[in-house]
Amino acid sequence: DAGVTQSPTHLIKTRGQHVTLRCSPISGHKSVSWYQQVLGQGPQFIFQYYEKEERGRGNFPDRFSARQFPNYSSELNVNALLLGDSALYLCASSLLGGSTDTQYFGPGTRLTVL
Amino acid sequence: QKEVEQDPGPLSVPEGAIVSLNCTYSNSAFQYFMWYRQYSRKGPELLMYTYSSGNKEDGRFTAQVDKSSKYISLFIRDSQPSDSATYLCAMSAWNTGNQFYFGTGTSLTVIP
Repeated sequence: DAGVTQSPTHLIKTRGQHVTLRCSPISGHKSVSWYQQVLGQGPQFIFQYYEKEERGRGNFPDRFSARQFPNYSSELNVNALLLGDSALYLCASSLLGGSTDTQYFGPGTRLTVL
Repeated sequence: QKEVEQDPGPLSVPEGAIVSLNCTYSNSAFQYFMWYRQYSRKGPELLMYTYSSGNKEDGRFTAQVDKSSKYISLFIRDSQPSDSATYLCAMSAWNTGNQFYFGTGTSLTVIP
């Protein structure tokens, strides 16, 4: 059974551009969470979606947005990219998205902003 | 103060050694504790999880939680070169909006 998949694997953008990252959860999982992991740091929570509704939002600016589709896949959008947005963006899927629901991570999308 | 504190290391041990990795936390509501392993440039992989104080063993790995001290540990017995990775602790609570809080990660190298 396939795990969490993310695309693209790597991405290079310049400041001010916009980026869309994609995630497909494990089959049967209805919740997707997005995390940002800066080099040398642990993942920082950005969003959680469950059944297409936003369930949680971390301390990130409005330049970050996301959505979840009827097939439970998800997109993370970042506008007006800054150098500081360079990071590994991780998607995690879980069955129901509860606070004790195990989250399974994808391989991540490495974003470099020049 | 960060919600979760973890010594970033790096930690270097000889093969076969016992490794101890630790995290402290400030939110007494945390109830679900996890350890993830992350290889370079990969996503985190869940190793172990536990809900309560005490020990939980899985093969060479033992997770320990002390809620009174707000302290969790991961012990690795008979460490192998393949254990070389970054180890992340993570935790969550009913009142934290379903988000997981991660430590910085401890980089471990097991030398053959």
